[in-house]
Order: sequence, then C-alpha cells, then structure tokens
Amino acid sequence: DIRMTQSPASLSASLGETVNIECLASEDIYSDLAWYQQKPGKSPQLLIYNANSLQNGVPSRFSGSGSGTQYSLKINSLQSEDVATYFCQQYNNYPLTFGSGTKLEIK
Amino acid sequence: QIQLVQSGPELKKPGESVKISCKASGYTFTDYAMHWVKQVPGKGLKWMGWINTYTGKPTYADDFKGRFVFSLEASASTANLQISNLKNEDTANVFCARKGFGVRWFAYWGQGTLVTVSS
Repeated sequence: DIRMTQSPASLSASLGETVNIECLASEDIYSDLAWYQQKPGKSPQLLIYNANSLQNGVPSRFSGSGSGTQYSLKINSLQSEDVATYFCQQYNNYPLTFGSGTKLEIK
Repeated sequence: QIQLVQSGPELKKPGESVKISCKASGYTFTDYAMHWVKQVPGKGLKWMGWINTYTGKPTYADDFKGRFVFSLEASASTANLQISNLKNEDTANVFCARKGFGVRWFAYWGQGTLVTVSS
C-alpha cells in the first residue's frame, strides 16, 4: 500500500497569511494526487487534482504543486472560510489512500 | 445535478448489523462505480472499497473483508453497505463517493452516515 504522510497535523495562522501543507508519498505517485477540504459535519470537497489543477469553482488562492513523492497545498491570503481540515489522497494505485489530515484554524 | 443522498444515522449494539444506503441521482447509475470511505470521528479517511454498478462485483480493501458487504438496488439507483457483527471500532461516519467522468479522483460525495456502536 502507498502510505501518505501529511504534515503538519494542525496549523494556526492569521487572516491574510499564506499557509503550506505537505504530503509525502511512500513511493512515486506520478502526480496522481488530489487535495480535499472538509468542513465540520460535511463531506470532503475536491480542491486540487493531478497535483496542481484547480477544480472548477475553487478560489485561485488555493494552489497545488509537487511531483514524485513530495506534494504541497498552498493557501494564499487566508480567509475565515478556509477553516477546515485538509486531506491529500493518492489515486495512482489501489488501495486508494489518504493523508491523516491537517486541521487549519485562524489565530 | 448529480447527488448522492445517504440514509440517516444509526445507533446499534455490538454484534448487531446495519445497512446504509446511498441513492444516486442526476446521472446514469450504472455508468460509474460507487466507492465507500470510512472516517472515525475526528480522524482521517480510509477507503473501504468499491462496487461495479454495472456488474455488481464488489472489491474490498483488506481491512474490510469479511463483515462488510457492498450491494446494489440498480433499479432504484442505490448502493448499499451492510456491516454485520458490529464492533465498537466500527463507530464512524461512512461516505459513498463517485469519481468524475473519465477521471480518477472523487468528484462527488454523499453527506455521510454516522454509525454509532455502543452497548
């Protein structure tokens, strides 16, 4: 199984700041990576696919990058509505696996 | 529009069984596989497996072989998950999810069904 190691587990930042979330795969996943945002009591919502493609309707302050085994999600100009937990997920191989999540709060 | 609507929360005792449903609308049900994802409250996401909605063939992740059964009511555009011999560690929110057209990531999710197992 491909293990996805996500960091940090939690993050506190001020409004307007830029934050980065990292995801490390245990083997090369060839950019087959998605990022999801999950707000409390809701289902995950797709933000980024293919490591760096922005899903329709997602604000441009979200961006993804990376290749091989290392990937990151960047949120520019943090807004209050970005408070959520963020997960990475690889779809290069079955079983599909997720990172453990990053809980983002506003300072 | 495409929707996946799941059945309501369940409270069960250890050893009992539960059946969760996921009703799809807005597309041809048999064109897309249905996946199931488990989330222990406050924790991460774990992929449980998927069912081919055209053939009915299920595929289970290793940790979900034995007590878990994926099934279909294709005429009702509904996928079901049955868990038997429930254990405390089955307490979780369970989501159904579907990939987008021609893509490999989850574009659509159900709202989740909370299964609570407690004596």
